Amino acid sequence: NAGVMQNPRHLVRRRGQEARLRCSPMKGHSHVYWYRQLPEEGLKFMVYLQKENIIDESGMPKERFSAEFPKEGPSILRIQQVVRGDSAAYFCASSPRDTHYGYTFGSGTRLTVV
Amino acid sequence: GIQVEQSPPDLILQEGANSTLRCNFSDSVNNLQWFHQNPWGQLINLFYIPSGTKQNGRLSATTVATERYSLLYISSSQTTDSGVYFCAVHSGGGADGLTFGKGTHLIIQP
Repeated sequence: NAGVMQNPRHLVRRRGQEARLRCSPMKGHSHVYWYRQLPEEGLKFMVYLQKENIIDESGMPKERFSAEFPKEGPSILRIQQVVRGDSAAYFCASSPRDTHYGYTFGSGTRLTVV
Repeated sequence: GIQVEQSPPDLILQEGANSTLRCNFSDSVNNLQWFHQNPWGQLINLFYIPSGTKQNGRLSATTVATERYSLLYISSSQTTDSGVYFCAVHSGGGADGLTFGKGTHLIIQP
């Protein structure tokens, strides 16, 4: 029973390029959360999705960032026209229901913008 | 939004020592979890503990919801306990995600 799978583990992008981060939740989990961790800081909530629905995106920057969780396939966090300040670790978590019980994190994607 | 404060920010101990990590939160919560982020960055869920006491091996946690704090106890520390310990809460209002504290950075020396 695989855990939450995130890929790639490391991603290097030049300024202005697009970054696509993927997250496959645990089997049986239909709730996905994305968080960002800047160096030496805790995690900051970005967006909460269920299949084909964005439930809460109050933590997402208003521009350049988007997320989706299609009916088939992984959840995608997309960052357009990346800037140096987007360099961070991006974590995905999944849970079987919306109470956050059974919250399981993936290993994260470390994005470096050069 | 809800505020989460963790103390101490840093802690260095010898192997075998015991430690207590504290998490204070500013509002009532319906969810509180403790996580361990190991030196490789992996986040491990330690406890789901909105109230009461739980134990798992050398680790235990207590949340006193009415006084808005939680404690994580680590006994007989091992070098593998090193890393950052995060407390995260959800208050039931506002954003649907967890609000994390800044963590306690624990170093266990052999």
